[in-house]
Amino acid sequence: NAGVTQTPKFRILKIGQSMTLQCTQDMNHNYMYWYRQDPGMGLKLIYYSVGAGITDKGEVPNGYNVSRSTTEDFPLRLELAAPSQTSVYFCASSPRPGLAEDEQFFGPGTRLTVL
Amino acid sequence: AQSVTQLGSHVSVSEGALVLLRCNYSSSVPPYLFWYVQYPNQGLQLLLKYTTGATLVKGINGFEAEFKKSETSFHLTKPSAHMSDAAEYFCAVRTNAGKSTFGDGTTLTVKP
Repeated sequence: NAGVTQTPKFRILKIGQSMTLQCTQDMNHNYMYWYRQDPGMGLKLIYYSVGAGITDKGEVPNGYNVSRSTTEDFPLRLELAAPSQTSVYFCASSPRPGLAEDEQFFGPGTRLTVL
Repeated sequence: AQSVTQLGSHVSVSEGALVLLRCNYSSSVPPYLFWYVQYPNQGLQLLLKYTTGATLVKGINGFEAEFKKSETSFHLTKPSAHMSDAAEYFCAVRTNAGKSTFGDGTTLTVKP
């Protein structure tokens, strides 16, 4: 049981390039989330999904896109990378809210630098 | 709307001393409250959570927190700090809609 896995661990992009951050969970969780963490700050929600085929915007969605074609995978797409997107990105998953085991399980993060 | 305020971005204690990390929240519905810990270059791990029932919640590594509805607080405590407790701690509030709001975090330093 690997939990939540993210790839890559590190990436350097040039301004204007695009990339996809991968996230996979093997816990059959309905809910999945993408957060960014800037230095000295908490986590800001970018996008989330309550199940396959359903996604919604969080607090800071501009410059990002997501898809959820399967329960397991929730990739985050950056189009036209900008220096303001330099951050650490965390993917998380959770079962349906309200269950006794309700908590978020986090991946190890992707450290992205845009130069 | 929901929000979380963590008072004190940095807390420093001596090894063996009491740890107190403060968290206040606002929520228009009964909240689920969480404390997570983040060690350097790692993701967040759950320390403890309050959903319903007993307001004093015990977590891993000797931490506990008390939900005080009247004070809208969920402070994290540990009676005796250990060097391995040095990390960043995040308080989070979550509603049944499934979205969480995180505080800005408190960095705990433990001095020998």
